[in-house]
Amino acid sequence: EVQLVESGGGLVQPGGSLRLSCAASGLTFSNYWMHWVRQAPGKGLVWVSRVNNDGSTISYADSVEGRFTLSRDNAKNTLDLQMNSLRAEDTAVYYCASTFDLLTAFQYWGQGTLVTVSS
Amino acid sequence: SYVLTQPPSVSVAPGQTARVTCGGDNIGSKSVHWYHQKPGQAPVLVVYDDSDRPSGIPERFSGSNSANTATLTISRVEAGDEADYYCQVWDSSSDLHVFGGGTKLTVL
Repeated sequence: EVQLVESGGGLVQPGGSLRLSCAASGLTFSNYWMHWVRQAPGKGLVWVSRVNNDGSTISYADSVEGRFTLSRDNAKNTLDLQMNSLRAEDTAVYYCASTFDLLTAFQYWGQGTLVTVSS
Repeated sequence: SYVLTQPPSVSVAPGQTARVTCGGDNIGSKSVHWYHQKPGQAPVLVVYDDSDRPSGIPERFSGSNSANTATLTISRVEAGDEADYYCQVWDSSSDLHVFGGGTKLTVL
C-alpha cells in the first residue's frame, strides 16, 4: 500500500519559517515526480511546487517562488519543503502528491498537514 | 495563465446522472484529470487522461474531453458520491499544474 505521510505543519508568525516533510512508502520513490499542493480553508486546490524523479529539476508557483525551497532525498524516500517569509495567505493544508511524470495525474496523495500563519 | 472554469455546484437526485463540466481554452488538446474530495479528506483521483479510471473507481465514473469543455459524468448517482470535484491539467505554456475551482456535487 502506498503511503505519503506529511509532517511539520503548525502555527507560525508572519515572516517566520517552517519546514514540511513527506515520507513515502510502498512505491519506488525514485520513479515519481513529487509535488506539494495546498488548499486554503474553504477554498480549492492550488499547485505549489514540484521536483522531478531524480531531483534535477524543480519548479514553483509564482506565489511562492523565492520564498519556498523544495528538495528530495531518494535514499530516504523523503520530500521536504522549506517555507520562509511566510504570509497570512500561505495558510492552508499542504498535501504531498505524486505523479509519474509531467503530464500524468496526481495518483497518490498524503493526508495533508495544516500550516497556519498568524500573529 | 491558463484558467479552468467549473460550475460551483451541481445537484442531482439519487439514481440519476450528474455531469460536471470543466471549461478551458482548447482544453481538448490537453490531458484532463478529475479528483473528488470529501470533507476533511485528501483528494482522490477518479478519472485520468480524459476518460480512464484508476483501479477501484466504479464504472459509473466516466470522462470526456473535446474542444473547450471536459466533462465528468457520474451515472446512477449514490449518496456516497457527494463531494467536491476538481478538474486538473498541466499547461505547457506556463509549465503550471492547474486546478479548476471545484464543483460541489449535492445528492438530493
